[in-house]
Amino acid sequence: NAGVMQNPRHLVRRRGQEARLRCSPMKGHSHVYWYRQLPEEGLKFMVYLQKENIIDESGMPKERFSAEFPKEGPSILRIQQVVRGDSAAYFCASSLGLLEETQYFGPGTRLLVL
Amino acid sequence: SQQGEEDPQALSIQEGENATMNCSYKTSINNLQWYRQNSGRGLVHLILIRSNEREKHSGRLRVTLDTSKKSSSLLITASRAADTASYFCATDRIQSNYKLTFGKGTLLTVNP
Repeated sequence: NAGVMQNPRHLVRRRGQEARLRCSPMKGHSHVYWYRQLPEEGLKFMVYLQKENIIDESGMPKERFSAEFPKEGPSILRIQQVVRGDSAAYFCASSLGLLEETQYFGPGTRLLVL
Repeated sequence: SQQGEEDPQALSIQEGENATMNCSYKTSINNLQWYRQNSGRGLVHLILIRSNEREKHSGRLRVTLDTSKKSSSLLITASRAADTASYFCATDRIQSNYKLTFGKGTLLTVNP
């Protein structure tokens, strides 16, 4: 039973480019969460999605960031026109359902903006 | 301010010793979870304790929760060099149990 998969593991972008981060939840999990971790910091909640629905995006920056979890395929976190301050580790987690509280995390994508 | 804050920020012990890490939080919770993160890696879920539980064990791990003091502790007994990692507590909120809030973590170093 594969765990949460994220790709790429490392991503380098120049300022102004777009970054696309992918997350495949654990088999059978329909709830996906994205978190961001800045250096020397804890994880910060960004967005919670279910299939084809954004449930809570209160942690997402208002501009340049978007997330989706289509009916088929992985969840995508998209960052447009990246800036140096977007450099961070982005983690995806999944859970079985809202009443299943344990969130299982992927290995993360480390984004470096030059 | 942080919902969950771990204490100490760093802890260095010898193999075989016990390690205790603490976590304090501010608002009422449904659950509190502890995670481990090895350097440059993802988070591994260790244990979840519910607000109506006071103590929970899993192998060499013992977690306590005191909701009156809004604090939790993680005890690792008979530590091993492989336990070297950062340890985070994560709390949810009554109204949104899916939104986990993490502290900055405790960096545990176990010296062989």
